[in-house]
Amino acid sequence: KNQVEQSPQSLIILEGKNCTLQCNYTVSPFSNLRWYKQDTGRGPVSLTIMTFSENTKSNGRYTATLDADTKQSSLHITASQLSDSASYICVVSGFASGGSYIPTFGRGTSLIVHP
Amino acid sequence: GAGVSQSPSNKVTEKGKDVELRCDPISGHTALYWYRQSLGQGLEFLIYFQGNSAPDKSGLPSDRFSAERTGGSVSTLTIQRTQQEDSAVYLCASSLGRYGDREAFFGQGTRLTVV
Repeated sequence: KNQVEQSPQSLIILEGKNCTLQCNYTVSPFSNLRWYKQDTGRGPVSLTIMTFSENTKSNGRYTATLDADTKQSSLHITASQLSDSASYICVVSGFASGGSYIPTFGRGTSLIVHP
Repeated sequence: GAGVSQSPSNKVTEKGKDVELRCDPISGHTALYWYRQSLGQGLEFLIYFQGNSAPDKSGLPSDRFSAERTGGSVSTLTIQRTQQEDSAVYLCASSLGRYGDREAFFGQGTRLTVV
């Protein structure tokens, strides 16, 4: 069964500090991995996408890494800001029958940045 | 439109009633997805449309749930004889191609409360 596990479940940090969120998956065969940011009451917004051959991808203060061998990904946030407070969701897409790519969602990590 | 639009944004219904949730995807997006997010849970995949056809309905939790898409555009998710466990935020997403290939854009969701 395809699964995506994220840790920690919640994280509280001080503004300006760095943090790293983890994502482990068992989705196979693997297509790509995305990190989404979901602000409270809003739909998720894509931060990064990585395919099998990519090890790292940056988007401003967000840097995602992927180790396809160990099936692990991390999202590193540098110099956190209050606006980073949100839920961060790891989504892994695998091939399904008929050629479609069905995503499997993690439960997300809730990040709270305190001033 | 500029983004994915869902309506209504909030719906309170009595147990046993039928409800219809609407999704207007971004113009030209051929792929459309429905998810639901229960309180404290991750995103749960419901159904995927490519054009007007639904190659993957595996996520629909019971035969009370159905969805259709017409004209390759608007989609409606219908829940018959609603139960309290149906209470959740229902999110719709659309993308240019198959989900894994192209970024998916999410609507704001419909918050369904069954009383």
